[in-house]
Amino acid sequence: GQNIDQPTEMTATEGAIVQINCTYQTSGFNGLFWYQQHAGEAPTFLSYNVLDGLEEKGRFSSFLSRSKGYSYLLLKELQMKDSASYLCAVMDSNYQLIWGAGTKLIIKP
Amino acid sequence: GAVVSQHPSRVICKSGTSVKIECRSLDFQATTMFWYRQFPKQSLMLMATSNEGSKATYEQGVEKDKFLINHASLTLSTLTVTSAHPEDSSFYICSARGPREYNEQFFGPGTRLTVL
Repeated sequence: GQNIDQPTEMTATEGAIVQINCTYQTSGFNGLFWYQQHAGEAPTFLSYNVLDGLEEKGRFSSFLSRSKGYSYLLLKELQMKDSASYLCAVMDSNYQLIWGAGTKLIIKP
Repeated sequence: GAVVSQHPSRVICKSGTSVKIECRSLDFQATTMFWYRQFPKQSLMLMATSNEGSKATYEQGVEKDKFLINHASLTLSTLTVTSAHPEDSSFYICSARGPREYNEQFFGPGTRLTVL
């Protein structure tokens, strides 16, 4: 079966750095996405990785290792507004998104 | 960027009534649209995939007769929850895939449905 695993909840301090991991097992691979979702809102796109390596975009970076079925989202200089759920999703061979359950990130002052 | 709208953003209805949710791609043509449901503290669950001009493909466990999907044009898909019951209360989100970037999906803002 297809499976996406990520931690349920993480806590970090304002100004610090946090890494959210995601491991996956899917039928085929057409890229891995990270989305941010605030409570009561739809997901918003953060990043897309299809090749191995690190993609940096401002305070957010995303890493992918296809051989290990592993990705992480790195958030630097954390701000209170970064408190949200972070969803890892993999696009399978049918171009369907397989979603993880999301990681709730709590930022403390 | 590509924008997807949903209407209404919030709806409260009585048990047994039907509710229609619209999903529109505002500045691009969407050949494929997806309908998701999300219960509190859970991940997105794909309900169905709709392609313009053809019947929707429903995920296992999703009742076709209860969740009617119509994708009549390249900019509009509708989801009708028929004979809604309290257990149908959820957050419904649509997304659209444009013809240009096959791997990209653009999400609507979601519709909060509460069935009393």
